[in-house]
Amino acid sequence: KQEVTQIPAALSVPEGENLVLNCSFTDSAIYNLQWFRQDPGKGLTSLLLIQSSQREQTSGRLNASLDKSSGRSTLYIAASQPGDSATYLCAVLDAGGTSYGKLTFGQGTILTVHP
Amino acid sequence: GAGVSQSPRYKVAKRGQDVALRCDPISGHVSLFWYQQALGQGPEFLTYFQNEAQLDKSGLPSDRFFAERPEGSVSTLKIQRTQQEDSAVYLCASSPGQVRDEQYFGPGTRLTVT
Repeated sequence: KQEVTQIPAALSVPEGENLVLNCSFTDSAIYNLQWFRQDPGKGLTSLLLIQSSQREQTSGRLNASLDKSSGRSTLYIAASQPGDSATYLCAVLDAGGTSYGKLTFGQGTILTVHP
Repeated sequence: GAGVSQSPRYKVAKRGQDVALRCDPISGHVSLFWYQQALGQGPEFLTYFQNEAQLDKSGLPSDRFFAERPEGSVSTLKIQRTQQEDSAVYLCASSPGQVRDEQYFGPGTRLTVT
């Protein structure tokens, strides 16, 4: 059974810092990996999706990398801003099992960026 | 265009009451998923529909949980005789196809059982 772990559970940084969020998964046979953002009382906003054949994806100040063989992904946020404060979730879609793919999520990293 | 919508956004139920949570997926999306997110945790899979067929209900925690999608569009998650451990955010997601398409999430329904 796939298990996803995110470290750290919470992170508080001053504005302007570059930071790294970590995600690890136990079964490397994945189809893709996705990073989401969740604001309080809101649903999930997809940030980046990395296919299993890719090594990284970039969007603006965000960069996500994937090392499938070691079961790890990192989300890098450059020049953090208070508006980046949210919970960040990592989720994997397994390559085996069902064809429709149910996501397995980590428990999230709560990020606070203070001015 | 319109995204996934869910109603109600918040629901308070007394223990033992039945509740019904609604999901309106993106129009034309074949696949529909329900997830449960307990406080401080990541979402966990509950059940999956492909059109009107419920192909996977392996994540439903007990037989008090029931989901349907009778016409292949709107879905309802019903919880009978609610208990305190049912308190969570219930998220619905839809995807256009049936093979590992990207899932689009609704805002969720926060259920509090008192």
